[in-house]
Parts: sequence; C-alpha cells; structure tokens
Amino acid sequence: GDSVTQMEGPVTLSEEAFLTINCTYTATGYPSLFWYVQYPGEGLQLLLKATKADDKGSNKGFEATYRKETTSFHLEKGSVQVSDSAVYFCASLFQGAQKLVFGQGTRLTINP
Amino acid sequence: DAGITQSPRHKVTETGTPVTLRCHQTENHRYMYWYRQDPGHGLRLIHYSYGVKDTDKGEVSDGYSVSRSKTEDFLLTLESATSSQTSVYFCAISRRFDSSYEQYFGPGTRLTVT
Repeated sequence: GDSVTQMEGPVTLSEEAFLTINCTYTATGYPSLFWYVQYPGEGLQLLLKATKADDKGSNKGFEATYRKETTSFHLEKGSVQVSDSAVYFCASLFQGAQKLVFGQGTRLTINP
Repeated sequence: DAGITQSPRHKVTETGTPVTLRCHQTENHRYMYWYRQDPGHGLRLIHYSYGVKDTDKGEVSDGYSVSRSKTEDFLLTLESATSSQTSVYFCAISRRFDSSYEQYFGPGTRLTVT
C-alpha cells in the first residue's frame, strides 16, 4: 500500500544551521505531497505542498521539491531559527481516495 | 483557519466508559476526518466522511464508530474506552485549492483512559 517514510528524529541544530528532513513515498500513482508543522500543544498546520513532479513548494523560508525519479519530497531551510522548533510531518494524498498518509514525524529542536 | 473546533479539548475517562468527541466546522466542507496521533506513528486515519450519513473506515477503526447527521458535525464515539485509546485525536476537513485538495486540522482533543 501507499506509505510515507521520514528520517528518524529527533533532530537538534544550532540557530542559522542548514536543515534537511528527508521524506520518501511509495505510490502506485502520482500523489500530491505535503509538509505539515506542529508546534507544541497545537494542531497541524499546512506548511507547503506540491502537486506534480518537479513542483517546488515554499513557505516561511522552507522549500521542498517533488522528485518523481527518487520518489522524494525533502524539506529544506537555509537558516533555521529557534522558532522553527516543532514536529514536522510529511504526507501524501491520492486524489481519488481523498485520504492523507502521514510519515511518523520528525521532532526538530533549534538551540540558540 | 478553516473554522474547525473540537470538543472537549481534554478528557480523562475510565476504562469501559463510552466517550464521544465532537468536531464542528463552519464552512460546509463535504469531507471530514478523524485521526489519532501517537508517538512514533504520526497520524493515523480512524474514520472519514464524504457527506451526511456517508462514512468509511480508516486504517485504525477498530473500537471506534462515527456519525454525521449534519454537514457541520462529525462525531467520534469510543463505545467502551480502553487504555490503548489514550491518544490525541484530531479532526480535519478537506478543502479544494487550485487544482488539488488540502486538509486542515482542528486543535485536537487529548483523551486519557485510566
């Protein structure tokens, strides 16, 4: 079945470091791909998305590119801030099913 | 903000008691979802609805039932709560944006079964 795999956490970085959180998916078709962010004590917020191959989603300095050849959607940010500390979830959505499949989440901590 | 509220936000209950969680939306979306969040598992779909009285099971539906008698409300019921159902429960809606759909989540309900 369809699945999403994220890099194991937790991830701890210093402020202004470069961030990569890996995400790969398995699918029989061409899903839409999403990154969600969850700040402590809150629900999930949609961070960015891409709906077709080679699309790049971006928001708040974060970027992710839909790579069909490697079935990946890695999240990157050039210079992280303490306020980026949160749990990040990669997810895929098959339009026909209207159901999201989530990765297990990656906890990110940024130290000043 | 997709106008999603959940109630209660926190609940502690005893094993064997019935529990109902409510999700309310204000934007008339057709699709609504219930997920549970547990460490190491991300979010897992319990049940979803594609219209009034139209529901279907997700990957972890055992022990849960749902009802949707009005577009705006989607109820999740634990008929007889067990400790394994201690979790954070999130409701979501699906909204069309450009040529794709996006899901938006409520604030969550933290349920503890003792």
